Amino acid sequence: DTGVSQDPRHKITKRGQNVTFRCDPISEHNRLYWYRQTLGQGPEFLTYFQNEAQLEKSRLLSDRFSAERPKGSFSTLEIQRTEQGDSAMYLCASSNRDSIDYEQYFGPGTRLTVT
Amino acid sequence: AQSVTQLDSQVPVFEEAPVELRCNYSSSVSVYLFWYVQYPNQGLQLLLKYLSGSTLVKGINGFEAEFNKSQTSFHLRKPSVHISDTAEYFCAFGSSNTGKLIFGQGTTLQVKP
Repeated sequence: DTGVSQDPRHKITKRGQNVTFRCDPISEHNRLYWYRQTLGQGPEFLTYFQNEAQLEKSRLLSDRFSAERPKGSFSTLEIQRTEQGDSAMYLCASSNRDSIDYEQYFGPGTRLTVT
Repeated sequence: AQSVTQLDSQVPVFEEAPVELRCNYSSSVSVYLFWYVQYPNQGLQLLLKYLSGSTLVKGINGFEAEFNKSQTSFHLRKPSVHISDTAEYFCAFGSSNTGKLIFGQGTTLQVKP
């Protein structure tokens, strides 16, 4: 297993455009998390899935954000009508709900720059 | 509300010196605590975790942390740092129900030769 992967690693977009990020978790993991990290800050929770069900969304996740995890495998995070304040690192992590160690494995992140 | 506070934003230290990165948490429920390290332009890597049991937890790269329930702290220590330890360190609190992590603001460890 190669771990959690994210695509693209970097994205530069103009304000008002839509962007979509993809996360591929570790294959046997049933939980998948999205976090956002702005410069000089710790990651902030956005949302999480257990299998294909989206079970919790942070109030940070405005109406312009949507996340999906069809078939409980990979996940996508879409941002519509991007704003400069959306510039951040978007991190994906996965874990196994049935594991007793509660460890989340993080991907390398997608760095979004909105100009 | 649950929260994590990292008391130092930057910690400069000379190579081979000991270091302590401080973390305090606030929670009224079961506590699961983690320390992650982030190297430039990379994701987060788990250093160590406290779930239950012994309050002294040993992790990778020679790091250890002590869970102190009365002081609601989980400070990270290393007896002798290397240049390669220069990175951003995050303390995090984990929810036992959802598993989501609440992170502190981070501490930049700068190891100088």
